[in-house]
Amino acid sequence: EAGVAQSPRYKIIEKRQSVAFWCNPISGHATLYWYQQILGQGPKLLIQFQNNGVVDDSQLPKDRFSAERLKGVDSTLKIQPAKLEDSAVYLCASSLSGSPFEQYFGPGTRLTVT
Amino acid sequence: DQQVKQNSPSLSVQEGRISILNCDYTNSMFDYFLWYKKYPAEGPTFLISISSIKDKNEDGRFTVFLNKSAKHLSLHIVPSQPGDSAVYFCAAKRSRGPDKLIFGTGTRLQVFP
Repeated sequence: EAGVAQSPRYKIIEKRQSVAFWCNPISGHATLYWYQQILGQGPKLLIQFQNNGVVDDSQLPKDRFSAERLKGVDSTLKIQPAKLEDSAVYLCASSLSGSPFEQYFGPGTRLTVT
Repeated sequence: DQQVKQNSPSLSVQEGRISILNCDYTNSMFDYFLWYKKYPAEGPTFLISISSIKDKNEDGRFTVFLNKSAKHLSLHIVPSQPGDSAVYFCAAKRSRGPDKLIFGTGTRLQVFP
């Protein structure tokens, strides 16, 4: 079974630029999550999708972050404009609908904002 | 407001000995707890979980203990192996309501020969 795929793996941008991350969840997983992990901290949920609908985006900085999950499969997370404090690893995870306890994580995208 | 705390940022254990990783939580609404293991440049991998209706769950070398009255859980690894060297995250959630996992800050375990 293929795992959660993410790209790119690494990205370096200057502040005020924009960036986008892509995630392909495990086939058949209806729930998709984006997490932000700042160095020295645990992952923090940014947004959760159930199919292509948003379940929780309470911690998403909506003035600069946006995410979509068209067709209920792949998802993209965008930051525009980026700030220095956005430097982090962005993790995508997925889980089966009705079985939310175990989330499967992708390798993450390490973003550095200079 | 750190609802899940892992107060030991690092732990060093000799191969073959027991590793004990600790986690405390403050939200009494949490009733499901998970441990994730993370290697460098990889995403976290689910390791073991426990529901609040239990006080112990075992899976091979890994055992998680839950003390609800103290709002404390621990992960025991026996015997520890060099391949166990990783960062371990404790996470908590409510089984009803919001599906959000709240993670601790992690403990880096190093198992040396």
